[in-house]
Amino acid sequence: RKEVEQDPGPFNVPEGATVAFNCTYSNSASQSFFWYRQDCRKEPKLLMSVYSSGNEDGRFTAQLNRASQYISLLIRDSKLSDSATYLCAVRGGATNKLIFGTGTLLAVQP
Amino acid sequence: ETGVTQTPRHLVMGMTNKKSLKCEQHLGHNAMYWYKQSAKKPLELMFVYNFKEQTENNSVPSRFSPECPNSSHLFLHLHTLQPEDSALYLCASSQSGGSYEQYFGPGTRLTVT
Repeated sequence: RKEVEQDPGPFNVPEGATVAFNCTYSNSASQSFFWYRQDCRKEPKLLMSVYSSGNEDGRFTAQLNRASQYISLLIRDSKLSDSATYLCAVRGGATNKLIFGTGTLLAVQP
Repeated sequence: ETGVTQTPRHLVMGMTNKKSLKCEQHLGHNAMYWYKQSAKKPLELMFVYNFKEQTENNSVPSRFSPECPNSSHLFLHLHTLQPEDSALYLCASSQSGGSYEQYFGPGTRLTVT
């Protein structure tokens, strides 16, 4: 089993739709969780950290489910500019090493 | 954004060449990282430096040689590379502790011919 798994997609959604991605992790001792956004041929950019209580930033909501070992990202009212690859990253234990998923490709259609 | 810079942005080198990639962070962080990103694969961590000390070498071939002279600068020295080493090489930095949020540079797109 991979340490961090994501559905590669693509997720094709119309503008204005709500879309959700999940990311599962295998290490139950994982401590920190993140969502990154990566545009084609660019570097990953930190979108948001994921806190135990869940957190929201505008149209984006991230949640953590420790019991089932997954994190989620919800995007409401999708914009064309949201089209990108969304990477989840997990930090396990007493280390600053991040393990990344392969990413989920989102394509928002006009 | 100029938090983490990398040079060069593009590099084409032959298998017998020696070249170096440079990374500089202006965020006051004390940990720096090298990642490799190939098509259809997840980001692969190569090396981790904390306070200039290497704390992780992810079974990287010796043809890749990192150097971290201080907490703000990181180099990746390349020699006798193979075509399969062609990829996007990304540098990142973070604090060691706290949120551990990593911030990436724009990357060097390397092609080995």
